[in-house]
Amino acid sequence: AQSVTQLGSHVSVSEGALVLLRCNYSSSVPPYLFWYVQYPNQGLQLLLKYTSAATLVKGINGFEAEFKKSETSFHLTKPSAHMSDAAEYFCAVSRGSRLTFGEGTQLTVNP
Amino acid sequence: DTGVSQDPRHKITKRGQNVTFRCDPISEHNRLYWYRQTLGQGPEFLTYFQNEAQLEKSRLLSDRFSAERPKGSFSTLEIQRTEQGDSAMYLCASSQDRGMDYGYTFGSGTRLTVV
Repeated sequence: AQSVTQLGSHVSVSEGALVLLRCNYSSSVPPYLFWYVQYPNQGLQLLLKYTSAATLVKGINGFEAEFKKSETSFHLTKPSAHMSDAAEYFCAVSRGSRLTFGEGTQLTVNP
Repeated sequence: DTGVSQDPRHKITKRGQNVTFRCDPISEHNRLYWYRQTLGQGPEFLTYFQNEAQLEKSRLLSDRFSAERPKGSFSTLEIQRTEQGDSAMYLCASSQDRGMDYGYTFGSGTRLTVV
């Protein structure tokens, strides 16, 4: 079975600091991996996806993620946090036609 | 293209009542998915359609839940005899074939509160 684990349910950074949100996956086959962002009372917006092409994936709003097979990781990073990045972030793996999500990481950005 | 639309945005109902939600996917997407998200959790898969055919259902989808996509366009999710445990955000998503390659587009969700 495919699954993802997000390490840290809450992450707090200062504005301008590096953002690092961790995601590890478990998959018996090459995975398709996604990061989504959710603002309060909203749906999910796709930030980026890994589909077995380049291991470093660039997404929207300055986010990127690196697929590391040896570490079974797909961590999300952004060099400089903005106040508008405060939201909940979900890592997900695709199994067939369904997505399996992690439990989410709430990102707080302090001024 | 106005994205994935869900209606209503919020629904408050009394326990035991039936409720129905609607989802309008992106017009060129032939796959449509329903997910449920409870507070503090990631979304959980409920079911998906390819065109009008319901191809997969999660065991989370009890007998009280039914989903339809009669003409392969919009979809409805009905919950009969609602229970307090049904309180959640119900999310709809759509994709082209091979959503894993192209990504899944989510709607803003319907928040259900059962009192």
